[in-house]
Amino acid sequence: AQSVAQPEDQVNVAEGNPLTVKCTYSVSGNPYLFWYVQYPNRGLQFLLKYITGDNLVKGSYGFEAEFNKSQTSFHLKKPSALVSDSALYFCAVRDASGTYKYIFGTGTRLKVLA
Amino acid sequence: EAGVAQSPRYKIIEKRQSVAFWCNPISGHATLYWYQQILGQGPKLLIQFQNNGVVDDSQLPKDRFSAERLKGVDSTLKIQPAKLEDSAVYLCASGEATGSEAFFGQGTRLTVV
Repeated sequence: AQSVAQPEDQVNVAEGNPLTVKCTYSVSGNPYLFWYVQYPNRGLQFLLKYITGDNLVKGSYGFEAEFNKSQTSFHLKKPSALVSDSALYFCAVRDASGTYKYIFGTGTRLKVLA
Repeated sequence: EAGVAQSPRYKIIEKRQSVAFWCNPISGHATLYWYQQILGQGPKLLIQFQNNGVVDDSQLPKDRFSAERLKGVDSTLKIQPAKLEDSAVYLCASGEATGSEAFFGQGTRLTVV
């Protein structure tokens, strides 16, 4: 069955430090992987995606993510965190076969401390 | 480019009443999704359409929820009768047919009292 896990409910990081938000997935076929961010009372905003090719993908607002097939992971990273990065982050996976069903993780709240 | 439009933004109803939400996806997007997001949780897929056909509705509580997508464009999601546990944000999203990102509307916040 298709699933995605975000093992940390909350991540705290000091402003200027690097940040990592973890995501692991399970699909039967090849995965399409995505990160979204949600600010209070707003819809989900797309950050980046991995479809194929280079394992390191770059996205909006300086975020990047690394696809690791052997560890079935797609961790979100940023070299230097900003207070304005504080938000709820969701990892999502689509199975690149069949229905392309879009499944989201439970979310990780990122808090960047000044 | 216009985004995904949803209405209403907020709705308060009493339990056992009915309610309907409307979604207008981005023009040309074949895939349309409805998600339920309960406070503090990730979005849960309720139903996925490809054009006007249902691709997946395995998590839709069919005894009270229904959805349709007429002519492969706009969609409505209905709850009848509503329960207290239906209080959530209902998100509509659309995307292209093959593996691309989904674009989300701002959602409808439903409160059942």
